[in-house]
Amino acid sequence: NAGVTQTPKFQVLKTGQSMTLQCAQDMNHEYMSWYRQDPGMGLRLIHYSVGAGITDQGEVPNGYNVSRSTTEDFPLRLLSAAPSQTSVYFCASSRTDIGNTIYFGEGSWLTVV
Amino acid sequence: KQEVTQIPAALSVPEGENLVLNCSFTDSAIYNLQWFRQDPGKGLTSLLLIQSSQREQTSGRLNASLDKSSGRSTLYIAASQPGDSATYLCALTSGSRLTFGEGTQLTVNP
Repeated sequence: NAGVTQTPKFQVLKTGQSMTLQCAQDMNHEYMSWYRQDPGMGLRLIHYSVGAGITDQGEVPNGYNVSRSTTEDFPLRLLSAAPSQTSVYFCASSRTDIGNTIYFGEGSWLTVV
Repeated sequence: KQEVTQIPAALSVPEGENLVLNCSFTDSAIYNLQWFRQDPGKGLTSLLLIQSSQREQTSGRLNASLDKSSGRSTLYIAASQPGDSATYLCALTSGSRLTFGEGTQLTVNP
């Protein structure tokens, strides 16, 4: 009963490097999203998807890219890492985008030096 | 733009006490409201989901209420236990977006 799985759990990047945070869910959920959590800022929406092939920007999309080629996977790409992207990243999914319980992954701790 | 505020930011109570956590929001055009629990170093776990047409939801020792007209929700925890220590966040769904408050850090002392 995996739920929402995020990898890696921890990552240290150098400024300018690129990387992909992986997110997979096994619940056949249509809605998936990425958040970042920062002290004093709460959780902020980066990008979301309401189904395979459909993505949209959230509150803080700059510097991040997403795609949704399958229902199960929703990777988040950092194009050129910056220290301001040091954060904890959470992936979440729900059956549809409204009216349903949302399930979160365990988080990915990213440090950009 | 929806803004969500949770007061207090931190709360410390003795074991066994009943307590109330508050969540206020600025835009009443919401689809639902969820209360989450977050343990240190972990993801969020949904505790209760209240649809916009509902007034409250209950699960065990937890009861959440929703008053859209006043822009408020409360999470009531009965007979608190040390295992309830965590950060509690409320979040509102409007459109395809979930807007979070910053959370209340609860400590229940034995």
